Amino acid sequence: KQEVTQIPAALSVPEGENLVLNCSFTDSAIYNLQWFRQDPGKGLTSLLLIQSSQREQTSGRLNASLDKSSGRSTLYIAASQPGDSATYLCAGPYSSASKIIFGSGTRLSIRP
Amino acid sequence: DADVTQTPRNRITKTGKRIMLECSQTKGHDRMYWYRQDPGLGLRLIYYSFDVKDINKGEISDGYSVSRQAQAKFSLSLESAIPNQTALYFCATSDVLAGEVDEQFFGPGTRLTVL
Repeated sequence: KQEVTQIPAALSVPEGENLVLNCSFTDSAIYNLQWFRQDPGKGLTSLLLIQSSQREQTSGRLNASLDKSSGRSTLYIAASQPGDSATYLCAGPYSSASKIIFGSGTRLSIRP
Repeated sequence: DADVTQTPRNRITKTGKRIMLECSQTKGHDRMYWYRQDPGLGLRLIYYSFDVKDINKGEISDGYSVSRQAQAKFSLSLESAIPNQTALYFCATSDVLAGEVDEQFFGPGTRLTVL
């Protein structure tokens, strides 16, 4: 069964720290990978999409990488702020014709 | 205006009632999805549609049905609602560009409570 795992499930760090969120898949044949942010009771906001031919994407303080050989993706957040507090989810399809599978998320809390 | 809209945003209903959740998109995407989210269980795929004539079951389709009325509209129905269908429901869209699966965009969600 194809699964996407996110560790840790929850993380609390003081403001200003750089941090890394992890995402791993059971099958290294993941096609592409997208990172989302979800605020409590709200919808998902797309942060970054790493296409099948890419290894990383950057947007502002966020950098996401994808290593298909190891079946892992990381989301790096630089200089964390209280406004970064949210749940972060990764997701991807195993081919261009397959459904998208979600990880269970990492709940991030940035302490002022 | 939002690219992916869902109606209603909140609904409380009783066991046994038929409920329809609607999703509309203005992004022009062919692919649409319905998910439910439960605390501790993450997002689970109910149904997905790659175009108007292509509808597929997801992980948890039992008790649900869908209709793709047009490229822009994808409805989810609960034929006879039961309490364990109480959840947050999301619609999403995505496209394929030059053979690459593009970003997935989500609606704001519908909070459904079945009493």
